[in-house]
Amino acid sequence: NAGVTQTPKFQVLKTGQSMTLQCAQDMNHNSMYWYRQDPGMGLRLIYYSASEGTTDKGEVPNGYNVSRLNKREFSLRLESAAPSQTSVYFCASSEQHLFYNEQFFGPGTRLTVL
Amino acid sequence: AQSVTQPDIHITVSEGASLELRCNYSYGATPYLFWYVQSPGQGLQLLLKYFSGDTLVQGIKGFEAEFKRSQSSFNLRKPSVHWSDAAEYFCAVGSNTDKLIFGTGTRLQVFP
Repeated sequence: NAGVTQTPKFQVLKTGQSMTLQCAQDMNHNSMYWYRQDPGMGLRLIYYSASEGTTDKGEVPNGYNVSRLNKREFSLRLESAAPSQTSVYFCASSEQHLFYNEQFFGPGTRLTVL
Repeated sequence: AQSVTQPDIHITVSEGASLELRCNYSYGATPYLFWYVQSPGQGLQLLLKYFSGDTLVQGIKGFEAEFKRSQSSFNLRKPSVHWSDAAEYFCAVGSNTDKLIFGTGTRLQVFP
């Protein structure tokens, strides 16, 4: 099992460009999450999908969109990238969207917006 | 509102020394508490979790944590640190909206 995989690992964008971050899990989990990690701020939830067919906003959703493509895949799209979106992005999954369920994290995507 | 505070941004210890990383939480009910570790360039991995019962919980890699309700704390400990323990450590609380609230992290540096 690969667990949670993310592509790409690194990306540099110019302001205004768009891109999609891909995430896939092979653990048959129902719930998936996108976080961003910034120095001194821990992890902040951008969007999540409690189950296939549903998505909801997290703490910092502005400037992002998500798609739960199927049970395995959850993508994050930046329509018009801004320097404030320079960050490390983590995808995670859990069996159910319940606060006591362990979340499993991917290796992250390091995004720089110039 | 639920919150997690990790007061130490950066800690340095010598290999073989004991370690304690602090975590304080704010939560109205019985909290569900987690410690995650992030090795350089990696995602987060669960070290241990507390839901109820015994207030001293054991985790992977020789780590343990003690839940103290009176102090609203869930400190992480290890009796003897190894160089491979150098990483960033995050405390988190499971909120009543079913989301994880993370602390800002503590970076551990280990000297030989």
